[in-house]
Amino acid sequence: KAGVTQTPRYLIKTRGQQVTLSCSPISGHRSVSWYQQTPGQGLQFLFEYFSETQRNKGNFPGRFSGRQFSNSRSEMNVSTLELGDSALYLCASSPTSGGSWETQYFGPGTRLLVL
Amino acid sequence: QKEVEQNSGPLSVPEGAIASLNCTYSDRGSQSFFWYRQYSGKSPELIMSIYSNGDKEDGRFTAQLNKASQYVSLLIRDSQPSDSATYLCAVNTNAGKSTFGDGTTLTVKP
Repeated sequence: KAGVTQTPRYLIKTRGQQVTLSCSPISGHRSVSWYQQTPGQGLQFLFEYFSETQRNKGNFPGRFSGRQFSNSRSEMNVSTLELGDSALYLCASSPTSGGSWETQYFGPGTRLLVL
Repeated sequence: QKEVEQNSGPLSVPEGAIASLNCTYSDRGSQSFFWYRQYSGKSPELIMSIYSNGDKEDGRFTAQLNKASQYVSLLIRDSQPSDSATYLCAVNTNAGKSTFGDGTTLTVKP
């Protein structure tokens, strides 16, 4: 099976712009979670989608949003970019949702640099 | 207090030694516990999962869980230079939410 894929892999934007990142989960996986990873804050949970519905949400401002499509692919959007949004954005998929025992499989990440 | 705390590191051990990584968590409702390894510039990959009190062994890796003490650890026996990475502890609540620790960076010196 192909793993989790994320596009683009690298992105440079300027403050005030918006950005959309894409994630394709492992075939058959229905849950997609997004994380932000920075050296200072570690790996922080953004949100989780299952069957096109947001099931869990982390403590991020409303500028961060996401959605999931019927084929389980997911996008996340960050509007009005700030310098502090520079980070590695990781997507992880798991077979279903609501199962605390499920393993998450991470994609390679999108590295976003905001200038 | 952070929800998931790991020993800050960095941790350095000689090749062949045992590396011990520790993690404590604050949510008593936590159900599942995971250790991920992350090489520099790469994404996290699962090493071990543990769900009940006690030890779980997989090759050179042993995960230990003590829910009463809200403590989970990872032991790496016969450490190899290829084990040099950042190790992330993740804790899942019953609602399926994952919280990660900040990670401990391990260096295994030949």
